[in-house]
Amino acid sequence: GENVEQHPSTLSVQEGDSAVIKCTYSDSASNYFPWYKQELGKGPQLIIDIRSNVGEKKDQRIAVTLNKTAKHFSLHITETQPEDSAVYFCAASLSGAGSYQLTFGKGTKLSVIP
Amino acid sequence: DSGVTQTPKHLITATGQRVTLRCSPRSGDLSVYWYQQSLDQGLQFLIQYYNGEERAKGNILERFSAQQFPDLHSELNLSSLELGDSALYFCASSPTLAGANYEQYFGPGTRLTVT
Repeated sequence: GENVEQHPSTLSVQEGDSAVIKCTYSDSASNYFPWYKQELGKGPQLIIDIRSNVGEKKDQRIAVTLNKTAKHFSLHITETQPEDSAVYFCAASLSGAGSYQLTFGKGTKLSVIP
Repeated sequence: DSGVTQTPKHLITATGQRVTLRCSPRSGDLSVYWYQQSLDQGLQFLIQYYNGEERAKGNILERFSAQQFPDLHSELNLSSLELGDSALYFCASSPTLAGANYEQYFGPGTRLTVT
């Protein structure tokens, strides 16, 4: 089955700096890669996603890049703010028979220091 | 707020017992996914239903079962509970199976504690 590795497990940045979280996946058939933000006591919130026919996608301060050859995708957050502090999860979806079940990485705890 | 609701928010029960977790998907979403989140295993896919039919199974124990009703709400039944079943259980919903619109939106979760 699919396996998703996520690094780093913790990340501390100064407010205003950029943060980068990296993930690799194992199954070349995976074609959908969402990123979720989870705050304490809440459910994961979809913040951005990318499909395999696209190399990069941006939404305000957040961007995601995908390298299909290397089976690698990354989340970039620019101009970080204290409210960006949370746990971030990458995921990969192995589509087949109409199921888009997500395989998640272990998460990255991001702390933005004011 | 994702529009996905889950009840109860917290559940404390004893080993050997059975519990039912409930999920109401976003309005119009036909697909429901259940995930378990624990400290050691992370977020793991359990099972998916689409319009009342089981679509896919992940690492779901035989003691666990689920169903989706005609009004599209879903229930996850956990029986013969063990201490290791203590975790957060999330439901996610998605509009369709395929095409351009299959993002999953998560509910707030049910925290299960087995004592």
